[in-house]
Amino acid sequence: LAKTTQPISMDSYEGQEVNITCSHNNIATNDYITWYQQFPSQGPRFIIQGYKTKVTNEVASLFIPADRKSSTLSLPRVSLSDTAVYYCLVGAWMDSSYKLIFGSGTRLLVRP
Amino acid sequence: ETGVTQSPTHLIKTRGQQVTLRCSSQSGHNTVSWYQQALGQGPQFIFQYYREEENGRGNFPPRFSGLQFPNYSSELNVNALELDDSALYLCASSLDHDRGNTEAFFGQGTRLTVV
Repeated sequence: LAKTTQPISMDSYEGQEVNITCSHNNIATNDYITWYQQFPSQGPRFIIQGYKTKVTNEVASLFIPADRKSSTLSLPRVSLSDTAVYYCLVGAWMDSSYKLIFGSGTRLLVRP
Repeated sequence: ETGVTQSPTHLIKTRGQQVTLRCSSQSGHNTVSWYQQALGQGPQFIFQYYREEENGRGNFPPRFSGLQFPNYSSELNVNALELDDSALYLCASSLDHDRGNTEAFFGQGTRLTVV
């Protein structure tokens, strides 16, 4: 049974690096691991996606170990506008059906 | 602005009624996924359509059904509404070659309230 686990909340200060880890077991072998950001009353917004090792784009890095049972989203030098809920998203096969599973979300609060 | 449009933005229905929610995908995207997000919770996967065929389904009863049209727009239908169906319904479009969790663009959602 596939399941994802994230910390419920995290606090940080402007300019710090924030790392959010998602644990996910039994994910689909050939699927990406994707992270989204969500602000209140808005749909989730794509941040970054990876299959394994490390991926970096202009806003974040994603670290995925070889066993792919977890992933860590790294936000360098956060600002107040990064206060939001962050979700990991994985795909898994369960009950002979493909399912997309969001994590429970990590509420990040960035303080001045 | 993601290019994914959902309608209506808000809706109030009575328990037992039926509702249809609509989603226009981003141009060129052939895959659409629907999610239910209760207040304070993460999105829950309802189903995914790829080129008009359902190719993934979450743990929702059959009264949740969907369609994807040749232009890749989509509908979510919910029959026999229950109070617990009150939630934000999100659709997301992506360009997938097959089943897969690739970069998806979400609409703003439809806020459904069942009374």
